[in-house]
Amino acid sequence: NAGVTQTPKFQVLKTGQSMTLQCAQDMNHEYMSWYRQDPGMGLRLIHYSVGAGITDQGEVPNGYNVSRSTTEDFPLRLLSAAPSQTSVYFCASSYSGRLQETQYFGPGTRLLVL
Amino acid sequence: AQKITQTQPGMFVQEKEAVTLDCTYDTSDPSYGLFWYKQPSSGEMIFLIYQGSYDQQNATEGRYSLNFQKARKSANLVISASQLGDSAMYFCAMREGGNYKLSFGAGTTVTVRA
Repeated sequence: NAGVTQTPKFQVLKTGQSMTLQCAQDMNHEYMSWYRQDPGMGLRLIHYSVGAGITDQGEVPNGYNVSRSTTEDFPLRLLSAAPSQTSVYFCASSYSGRLQETQYFGPGTRLLVL
Repeated sequence: AQKITQTQPGMFVQEKEAVTLDCTYDTSDPSYGLFWYKQPSSGEMIFLIYQGSYDQQNATEGRYSLNFQKARKSANLVISASQLGDSAMYFCAMREGGNYKLSFGAGTTVTVRA
């Protein structure tokens, strides 16, 4: 299994540009989520999905869109990039939503918005 | 309000010694789970250990153990016999009840000295 994969690894955008961060998992996990990591703040949940066709907002959803058309993929779209969206983005997945179920993280995408 | 507090921004530890990383949490939900993750300089998030609020015993995983003090709302991670490869950022995180969101602390950087 490749686990959770993310592309690209690194991206530079100009303010106002849009882009999609890709996330895929091959573990047949139902639950997937996107986090952003900023210095001194740990990780914060952006959006999550409990299954294909079902998404919900996390703690910091503004400026981001998601969709879940398949179990495997959960792309994150930046509609109009802003410098405040400069961050490291992590995708994570878990088999179920049980409390003790750990989330498996992808390698991250480092985004710089100029 | 901050749900997870990690008060130690950085720590140094001598190789082969034990180190304790502090984590306090805030929740009124009787059902919650506490997680510790390791983030080496390469950036990936690695799950280390889990403690459920109803677990009677402290969790252990190899050289990692969790000192869970429910009344004090603390879940400190103990790494025994530190190795150079333990140098990393360590995050404490919590899930509450039926909420899928993981709330992270700001992290503690551990540097192991030879």
